[in-house]
Amino acid sequence: NAGVTQTPKFQVLKTGQSMTLQCAQDMNHEYMSWYRQDPGMGLRLIHYSVGAGITDQGEVPNGYNVSRSTTEDFPLRLLSAAPSQTSVYFCASSSITSPNTGELFFGEGSRLTVL
Amino acid sequence: AQSVTQLDSQVPVFEEAPVELRCNYSSSVSVYLFWYVQYPNQGLQLLLKYLSGSTLVESINGFEAEFNKSQTSFHLRKPSVHISDTAEYFCAVSPYGSSNTGKLIFGQGTTLQVKP
Repeated sequence: NAGVTQTPKFQVLKTGQSMTLQCAQDMNHEYMSWYRQDPGMGLRLIHYSVGAGITDQGEVPNGYNVSRSTTEDFPLRLLSAAPSQTSVYFCASSSITSPNTGELFFGEGSRLTVL
Repeated sequence: AQSVTQLDSQVPVFEEAPVELRCNYSSSVSVYLFWYVQYPNQGLQLLLKYLSGSTLVESINGFEAEFNKSQTSFHLRKPSVHISDTAEYFCAVSPYGSSNTGKLIFGQGTTLQVKP
């Protein structure tokens, strides 16, 4: 039971570098989303997708890019890393029925440090 | 738009004591309500949820939460905590029905610290 898989778990970047956080789910969920978690601020939505080929911005989208070419994968790209993007990133998925119940399934997180 | 406020950032409590973690929300539409738990170095797991019906909902590990529409609250309670309940707890809401697109709005989180 893989569920939602995120890679890498840890990453250190220098300011200005780019990278991609990978997210894959094997539950055939239509909805996928990326959150960032910062102390005292809870989880904030970066981008989300309601299906392959469809993405939209969340609360804090600046500096991030996403695409959804398949149902399974939803990578998050940092275009030019900044220290303000130091955070823990969570990918989540849910099924077309569970949005009406709201249950998200989360990956284990990717801890990113930007120097 | 929706917002969620968790009134306590940290709640220290002794083992076997009762605990309440407070959550208030604001929304112009009807919402579903959730509590998620995050154990150290892990992702979030659903603890319990309110969708409709009875305003008191329970989890399998002894937590319960009561939806109070007039006070727009969804406080989480447990009558007797264990060391293993030490974790961060997040209250969250999502819009009701067809306006839901798999997004949740989270509160800031409450760290429950259970002391022996």
